Amino acid sequence: DAEITQSPRHKITETGRQVTLACHQTWNHNNMFWYRQDLGHGLRLIHYSYGVHDTNKGEVSDGYSVSRSNTEDLPLTLESAASSQTSVYFCASSESGLIGVPEQFFGPGTRLTVL
Amino acid sequence: AQSVSQHNHHVILSEAASLELGCNYSYGGTVNLFWYVQYPGQHLQLLLKYFSGDPLVKGIKGFEAEFIKSKFSFNLRKPSVQWSDTAEYFCAALGYSTLTFGKGTMLLVSP
Repeated sequence: DAEITQSPRHKITETGRQVTLACHQTWNHNNMFWYRQDLGHGLRLIHYSYGVHDTNKGEVSDGYSVSRSNTEDLPLTLESAASSQTSVYFCASSESGLIGVPEQFFGPGTRLTVL
Repeated sequence: AQSVSQHNHHVILSEAASLELGCNYSYGGTVNLFWYVQYPGQHLQLLLKYFSGDPLVKGIKGFEAEFIKSKFSFNLRKPSVQWSDTAEYFCAALGYSTLTFGKGTMLLVSP
């Protein structure tokens, strides 16, 4: 079965370190998204991609970057981790919206703690 | 910019009670609406979605939602909740290209 996976599932790091969170999907979806989930804020969009070599900034992109070198993967990098980036991070993917409304499928999440 | 607001942050119900969770959106163009559920410790799953046609949408697990364009609302309903419905519920709107989520409603169903 197709799926979307994230690794690591839990990560503790220190302020100032660079951290990369992996997202891999086997749906062959063109669209991929990164969200962070914080209490009282719901899910907020960090970055998204509509295909290989395409990346776009979301609502809360400062301090984060992504790159899309193939269809399956969209790694999220925290350039210099800050305590404010302690959160749960979700990756999602969807088909291109040519037919119907594309449902986003979510990964299991990565809980990141920045000390 | 589009926005989604959910009226209740926490709802506590007894089993068999009826449920209605409010959701309002602001967006000037054609909007597609979703309800997602997140069970404790799990990832988000789609409950139902609206994109056109019948404004009353039926989803999984007995949930339904009604799109009322004049009120910019997409409220989620279930006639009789179960303990297993304890979860966080998110309303979301798809505008031009991205999803905007509400802040979520935590539902606790007591047995």
